[in-house]
Amino acid sequence: AQSVTQLDSQVPVFEEAPVELRCNYSSSVSVYLFWYVQYPNQGLQLLLKYTSAATLVKGINGFEAEFNKSQTSFHLRKPSVHISDTAEYFCAVIKAAGNKLTFGGGTRVLVKP
Amino acid sequence: DVKVTQSSRYLVKRTGEKVFLECVQDMDHENMFWYRQDPGLGLRLIYFSYDVKMKEKGDIPEGYSVSREKKERFSLILESASTNQTSMYLCASTQGRSWSNQPQHFGDGTRLSIL
Repeated sequence: AQSVTQLDSQVPVFEEAPVELRCNYSSSVSVYLFWYVQYPNQGLQLLLKYTSAATLVKGINGFEAEFNKSQTSFHLRKPSVHISDTAEYFCAVIKAAGNKLTFGGGTRVLVKP
Repeated sequence: DVKVTQSSRYLVKRTGEKVFLECVQDMDHENMFWYRQDPGLGLRLIYFSYDVKMKEKGDIPEGYSVSREKKERFSLILESASTNQTSMYLCASTQGRSWSNQPQHFGDGTRLSIL
């Protein structure tokens, strides 16, 4: 079975600073990977996904993530955050042709002025 | 845009009650899912359905059942609510028979408290 570990439960960051959210997965087969964002009192929205095309994936709101097969990682980055990026971020993995999406524990990002 | 609507944002029920959580999607998606979200644990899959009247167990189905009588509606049922089922419940849907590379579309969640 696949699993996902988000290494930081909380990340405080100042406005306009860069941020990196770490995600490591384990799976014995090929996988697809997703990053979702959850703003307060809302459901999850897709930020970006990796489905075996380019290893550097660009998403919405200036976010990007890099798939690294040798390190089994899919870290999310943004070069300059805004107050509106305050949210919880979830990494998720699914086996290619699988039917269960497995989520990490989430990382809360608090952007300070 | 896909719209996934959960009938209640907040719900308070008593131990032992039978509880129904309803979810409706408006994009004719084949697949629907129920998750519970708890701090530090992320989202965990309870049940999913890939067609009307079809259901499959997720990772934590104990204490729950589901019903999918119409394609657009997926109900989660707590047969006899217990305090350890106090949680945020999220419904999601996605399209296609081979959907693993497709994003899931989520509702806003139902925060359920069992007293």
